[in-house]
Amino acid sequence: EADIYQTPRYLVIGTGKKITLECSQTMGHDKMYWYQQDPGMELHLIHYSYGVNSTEKGDLSSESTVSRIRTEHFPLTLESARPSHTSQYLCASSEGHAGNTIYFGEGSWLTVV
Amino acid sequence: AQSVSQHNHHVILSEAASLELGCNYSYGGTVNLFWYVQYPGQHLQLLLKYFSGDPLVKGIKGFEAEFIKSKFSFNLRKPSVQWSDTAEYFCAVNAHNTDKLIFGTGTRLQVFP
Repeated sequence: EADIYQTPRYLVIGTGKKITLECSQTMGHDKMYWYQQDPGMELHLIHYSYGVNSTEKGDLSSESTVSRIRTEHFPLTLESARPSHTSQYLCASSEGHAGNTIYFGEGSWLTVV
Repeated sequence: AQSVSQHNHHVILSEAASLELGCNYSYGGTVNLFWYVQYPGQHLQLLLKYFSGDPLVKGIKGFEAEFIKSKFSFNLRKPSVQWSDTAEYFCAVNAHNTDKLIFGTGTRLQVFP
């Protein structure tokens, strides 16, 4: 069982609101990731981090931002939510070596109305 | 650019039927290959992975996958499915020198008693 937690699980908010999706892992993993998944579609990497103070953009362009001030915490923020941001956001983490298993959180379902 | 194709988007089977889900990837170099499963309402979890060695990989819950390098394929199999195998299955790949997982679009499997 992976120890990676996301909150909130479900969120419905109005257009223009600022939201932060929280992600925490207790495994001491250096690498953390955010994926976005629309229903019935593949997962797309939007952000990743190799460690504290490291953040990189993923393959899919996203208006969200991330921060990595602590190893265990990798929050994702949308400054001004829009309906096009409606999606599922999955946080994940892995150990330092390339190719290691990536562990996923349960996901945060965001609906912007 | 790397990509992963899962040709079966939705598969419906009766219990005890055999299962094979296709996965093909496009990348010319050495890869790591994964199958993840997402049961309804749960997080993504690893079924099995291939890094090197025996191309026939056995995973949890009776699943196995075979890496055929010449065909760029990593098909998932199970000889006899159960109702509890109802889930979404994702194939994923990363190149040996990267940490980013590229996912397929997923295959939704429904098993009826």
